[in-house]
Amino acid sequence: GNSVTQMEGPVTLSEEAFLTINCTYTATGYPSLFWYVQYPGEGLQLLLKATKADDKGSNKGFEATYRKETTSFHLEKGSVQVSDSAVYFCALFGGAGSYQLTFGKGTKLSVIP
Amino acid sequence: NAGVTQTPKFQVLKTGQSMTLQCAQDMNHEYMSWYRQDPGMGLRLIHYSVGAGITDQGEVPNGYNVSRSTTEDFPLRLLSAAPSQTSVYFCASRSEWTEAFFGQGTRLTVV
Repeated sequence: GNSVTQMEGPVTLSEEAFLTINCTYTATGYPSLFWYVQYPGEGLQLLLKATKADDKGSNKGFEATYRKETTSFHLEKGSVQVSDSAVYFCALFGGAGSYQLTFGKGTKLSVIP
Repeated sequence: NAGVTQTPKFQVLKTGQSMTLQCAQDMNHEYMSWYRQDPGMGLRLIHYSVGAGITDQGEVPNGYNVSRSTTEDFPLRLLSAAPSQTSVYFCASRSEWTEAFFGQGTRLTVV
């Protein structure tokens, strides 16, 4: 079946530091890949997505590239802000017989001034 | 657009009580799902539906029932609450061509 593995947290960074959160996946066929963000006390919001190999999703300064050869979708941001403190989830949808999202376990990011 | 609306936001139950978590969406999405979120476990799929009248089990279905009588509504029923069901519950909906939209969550405590 489908699975998503993302780096364990928590991650603590200083403001303006570079962020990478690793995500790798296992799936049959050609899944779509997503990063969701969950701010404290809120539900999940879509941050970015990519639907085919070599696509780059981007939003709010975050980027991730769909790498089929390495089955990866790493999240990056060049300069994090305190307001980026949240939990980030990598997820996939698709593949043979798949109707629902499969999530990683989430990575909690704390950005300190 | 309201999107996905979950009620209640908070609930405390005694062991053995039953209750229904409500979920409604106004986007005419075919697919709806219930997840539970626990520390260190990420989101785990409880039940899902691919259309009115069609439901199926996810990863952790025991102790929960669902039904989908309309496209808009997808309630989750706890039959006899147990402390292990203390969690945050999220409802989500999507169409074939969109990403998933999530509700704000229901924080449930079973004592």
